[in-house]
Amino acid sequence: AQSVTQPDIHITVSEGASLELRCNYSYGATPYLFWYVQSPGQGLQLLLKYFSGDTLVQGIKGFEAEFKRSQSSFNLRKPSVHWSDAAEYFCAVLTSGGSYIPTFGRGTSLIVHP
Amino acid sequence: GAGVSQSPSNKVTEKGKDVELRCDPISGHTALYWYRQRLGQGLEFLIYFQGNSAPDKSGLPSDRFSAERTGESVSTLTIQRTQQEDSAVYLCASSLVPRGNYGYTFGSGTRLTVV
Repeated sequence: AQSVTQPDIHITVSEGASLELRCNYSYGATPYLFWYVQSPGQGLQLLLKYFSGDTLVQGIKGFEAEFKRSQSSFNLRKPSVHWSDAAEYFCAVLTSGGSYIPTFGRGTSLIVHP
Repeated sequence: GAGVSQSPSNKVTEKGKDVELRCDPISGHTALYWYRQRLGQGLEFLIYFQGNSAPDKSGLPSDRFSAERTGESVSTLTIQRTQQEDSAVYLCASSLVPRGNYGYTFGSGTRLTVV
């Protein structure tokens, strides 16, 4: 079965600083990978997804993520964080065969200081 | 509709009462998922519906939980004899294709508080 690890429960950055949120997965083959953002009191919004091909994926709101097969990672990055980026971020994995159920990480809470 | 709609947005109930949560997916989305999100936790899978196939109920935590969906329409999640540990946000998501590999659209959730 696949699993997802988001090692950082909280991340604090200053507005304008760069950001990297970590995500590691466990699965024998290349999975489908997703990043979602959840603002307070809201559902989850898809930021970006990776299926195959170019390992650097561009998403909405200026986010990007890079798939690194050798490290089983799919880290989310943003070059300059805005105060409105403060939210909960979830990485998710869906296997390319078998289960149709995606597995979500426990989330990373991003705090942005002015 | 334009998005996934969940109702009610908030529900406070007394311990031991039954509650019913509703999810209205995006029209044409064949797959529908229910997740539970406890305070400060990640998403816990509950149940998956795909068209008229038998649902995947492997995530339901006890027999007090049940869900229904007719075809590709509205789904209801029912919790019988609610307990305090059932307090959580219940999220519904739908996807256009069965595997959901193009991504999922989530509703805003129902915040359930059992007192």
